[in-house]
Amino acid sequence: NAGVTQTPKFQVLKTGQSMTLQCAQDMNHNSMYWYRQDPGMGLRLIYYSASEGTTDKGEVPNGYNVSRLNKREFSLRLESAAPSQTSVYFCASSGTGETGKDQPQHFGDGTRLSIL
Amino acid sequence: GESVGLHLPTLSVQEGDNSIINCAYSNSASDYFIWYKQESGKGPQFIIDIRSNMDKRQGQRVTVLLNKTVKHLSLQIAATQPGDSAVYFCAETSTTNRLAFGKGNQVVVIP
Repeated sequence: NAGVTQTPKFQVLKTGQSMTLQCAQDMNHNSMYWYRQDPGMGLRLIYYSASEGTTDKGEVPNGYNVSRLNKREFSLRLESAAPSQTSVYFCASSGTGETGKDQPQHFGDGTRLSIL
Repeated sequence: GESVGLHLPTLSVQEGDNSIINCAYSNSASDYFIWYKQESGKGPQFIIDIRSNMDKRQGQRVTVLLNKTVKHLSLQIAATQPGDSAVYFCAETSTTNRLAFGKGNQVVVIP
């Protein structure tokens, strides 16, 4: 059971370049999330998708776009990378339990992105 | 948004002793709380959760305590092992499952 898979694991970009971070989950979860993690800042939510076909902004959405391609996949795109976007990016997913309540989010191992 | 924070940045504990990690939260509407463990180079790993209708929940070697009166959450690790060395995050949410994370607390286990 792979859980949440992120690609690539590492990436170096030049300022102004664009790229897409990929995320896929095999747990049949409805909800998916993108976070960034910076030293001393904890994890901050960029965007999330409560279900296939919907996306919503999180705490720090500026400079990013997302696509919920299908139930399994949720991608994060940087259209014009800036040094301030150097960070570790984590994708997560969560389902709904039998009682209808949300279940814990499960995380991938991250993409380490450096922008020069 | 409202924040979740941790009292201690680093906790050093002797192997075999019990560890206690504390967390304060400020959103009185929060009704679901989660502890995550993050090892170097990996994503956060779910440890244990608790809902607001409970004040204590136990797992394997871990116990979470919730005090809603003072908005305080703690994680107790029994018989701490070297593999418990990691950063521990508390997180809280209300109805949307949009988690708010604390900044993290480093636990260092001394052999």
